[in-house]
Amino acid sequence: EILLTQSPVTLSLSPGEGATLSCRASQSVGGFLAWYQQKPGQAPRLLIYDTSNRATGVPARFSGSGSGTDFTLTISSLEPEDFAVYYCQQRGDWPLTFGGGTRVDIK
Amino acid sequence: QVQLQESGPGLVKPSETLSLTCTVSGGSITTYYWSWVRQPAGKEPEWIGRIFSSGNTNYSPSLKSRVTISLDTSKTQLSLKLSSVTAADTAVYYCARDCGGSGSVWGQGTTVIVSS
Repeated sequence: EILLTQSPVTLSLSPGEGATLSCRASQSVGGFLAWYQQKPGQAPRLLIYDTSNRATGVPARFSGSGSGTDFTLTISSLEPEDFAVYYCQQRGDWPLTFGGGTRVDIK
Repeated sequence: QVQLQESGPGLVKPSETLSLTCTVSGGSITTYYWSWVRQPAGKEPEWIGRIFSSGNTNYSPSLKSRVTISLDTSKTQLSLKLSSVTAADTAVYYCARDCGGSGSVWGQGTTVIVSS
C-alpha cells in the first residue's frame, strides 16, 4: 500500500499570501496524483489530477507539480474561499490511498 | 452532467450488514470505474473499493473480507455491502466515478452511524 504523507499539517496564512502544500509518497505513483479541497459538510472537490492538470472550473491560482514521490500544490494568492482542508490522493496503484490532509486556516 | 446520489439507512446495528446504493444520472455507468470512499468525522477519506464496467472489482485489503461492490447497469446504480459492522465503520460514505482522474465526480455523501 502506498503511504502518502502531507506537510505541513496546518498552514496559517492571510488572504493574498501564497501557499505551498507538500505530499510525499512512499513509492512512485507514476504521476497519478490528485489534489482535493474539502470544506465542512461538503464532499471533497477535485482540484488537480495527474500531478498538474486542473479540473474543470478550477481557478488558475491553483497549480500542481512534482514527479516520482514528491508533489506540491501551490495556491498563488489565497482568496477567502480557499481556507479549507486539502488532501492528496494517488491512483497509481491500488488500494487507492489518501494523505492525512493539510488545513489552511486564516492567520 | 453526471450526478451521483447515495442512499441507504442512516443507522445500522453492530454486527449487521450496511447496504448503500448510489444512483447515477446524466451519464453512462458503462464507462470509467466506480468507487466507494468513506470518511470518519475529522479524518481523511478512506478508499473502500472499486468496480469496473466489466464487473471486475478491487477492494481495500483492510476491508476485503467484509465488502461487496456491485453494479446494476439497467438501473444505473452501484451498491455497497459491508458486513459485520462495528462503531469503527461510522462515517460519511461517498460514491465516486474515476476517483482522482480526469472524469472524477463525487456524490454528496451519506452519513452512516453504527449503534445499537
